[in-house]
Amino acid sequence: NAGVTQTPKFQVLKTGQSMTLQCAQDMNHNSMYWYRQDPGMGLRLIYYSASEGTTDKGEVPNGYNVSRLNKREFSLRLESAAPSQTSVYFCASRGRTQSSYNEQFFGPGTRLTVL
Amino acid sequence: AQKITQTQPGMFVQEKEAVTLDCTYDTSDPSYGLFWYKQPSSGEMIFLIYQGSYDQQNATEGRYSLNFQKARKSANLVISASQLGDSAMYFCAMREAYNTDKLIFGTGTRLQVFP
Repeated sequence: NAGVTQTPKFQVLKTGQSMTLQCAQDMNHNSMYWYRQDPGMGLRLIYYSASEGTTDKGEVPNGYNVSRLNKREFSLRLESAAPSQTSVYFCASRGRTQSSYNEQFFGPGTRLTVL
Repeated sequence: AQKITQTQPGMFVQEKEAVTLDCTYDTSDPSYGLFWYKQPSSGEMIFLIYQGSYDQQNATEGRYSLNFQKARKSANLVISASQLGDSAMYFCAMREAYNTDKLIFGTGTRLQVFP
């Protein structure tokens, strides 16, 4: 049971390049999320997927696209990277149980630098 | 709009002492949940504790307790008997009941525990 996994762990891009961040979870969770973390800003929601086949914008969606490939996988794509997208990206997932809180479980993060 | 405020960028505490990390929130939804996460220097996000807005008692999880003052809209984290391993960033987050898929995070407090 690996929980939430992300690839790659580190990435350096040049301005204008594209790339896809991969995320997978093995907890059979319905909801998955992408966040970015910038110094002094906390985590901000980019996109989320409440269930397979649905995606919704979060707080900072501009410059990103997502794909919920199946229940396990949720990818984040940068079509034309910009220096402002230099950040640490976290994927998370959440199940729905009888527990009242159903916390989000986070992956280890991807540190992305755009030059 | 919902908002989380953590006013302490950094805190110091001596080993074995207790420390309180502040969190205030703003929401118009009567039903909401409050979370605390720990982020060690390794980067992962670790769920610590949850408080529901209708919970009658303050949440406790081992050395962590949540001082929930609903009228003041505060949800402070209390760590008792601090350990060196408690040195980390701590984030407060809120989820409103009407949209259970979105977490709003505060900017975090860096706690340093010294011997």
